[in-house]
Amino acid sequence: NAGVTQTPKFRVLKTGQSMTLLCAQDMNHEYMYWYRQDPGMGLRLIHYSVGEGTTAKGEVPDGYNVSRLKKQNFLLGLESAAPSQTSVYFCASRYRMGDGRSSFTDTQYFGPGTRLTVL
Amino acid sequence: GESVGLHLPTLSVQEGDNSIINCAYSNSASDYFIWYKQESGKGPQFIIDIRSNMDKRQGQRVTVLLNKTVKHLSLQIAATQPGDSAVYFCAENMRDNYGQNFVFGPGTRLSVLP
Repeated sequence: NAGVTQTPKFRVLKTGQSMTLLCAQDMNHEYMYWYRQDPGMGLRLIHYSVGEGTTAKGEVPDGYNVSRLKKQNFLLGLESAAPSQTSVYFCASRYRMGDGRSSFTDTQYFGPGTRLTVL
Repeated sequence: GESVGLHLPTLSVQEGDNSIINCAYSNSASDYFIWYKQESGKGPQFIIDIRSNMDKRQGQRVTVLLNKTVKHLSLQIAATQPGDSAVYFCAENMRDNYGQNFVFGPGTRLSVLP
């Protein structure tokens, strides 16, 4: 299993450009998340999804859109990039509670991150 | 004490000593907590977790303590090694209408001195 993968690993954009970050997971997880991490700060939730075709806003959703057309993929879009969106972006996934698993641990599994710079 | 912003709290320990990293959480209704380790250039990795009906849980070289009265978590690392150098985050599980989301603390940087 590859776990959670993210593409691209690095990207530099100019202000106003658009791009899409791709997250893929091969663990059959229902829940998927997009976070951003800025220097000296913890992870802040941008958007999340509790299943195929369903998305919801997190703590800092402005300037981002997401789509979950397939269970294994969660896309994060920036329609018009701004310097304030310079950050490291992490995707995560996890099982849905109550899906029949008997496991104490209910952690999120994180991807390796995408470093985005907006000039 | 801890502060948010550009500068992470840093804990420096000698190799072989025990480390204690603290975290205050925000929601008294949170019922599940995780400690993550993040090495430079990588995503967070699960270390250990605990549920609100417990006050202590042990893993290999790590122990998590939960004090619900003061909404405080701590991570104890025994015999700290150079490979333990990283940023450590606590996360609390907060329920919402859809399901369950995590809220992360700002993190503490652990530096292991030779």
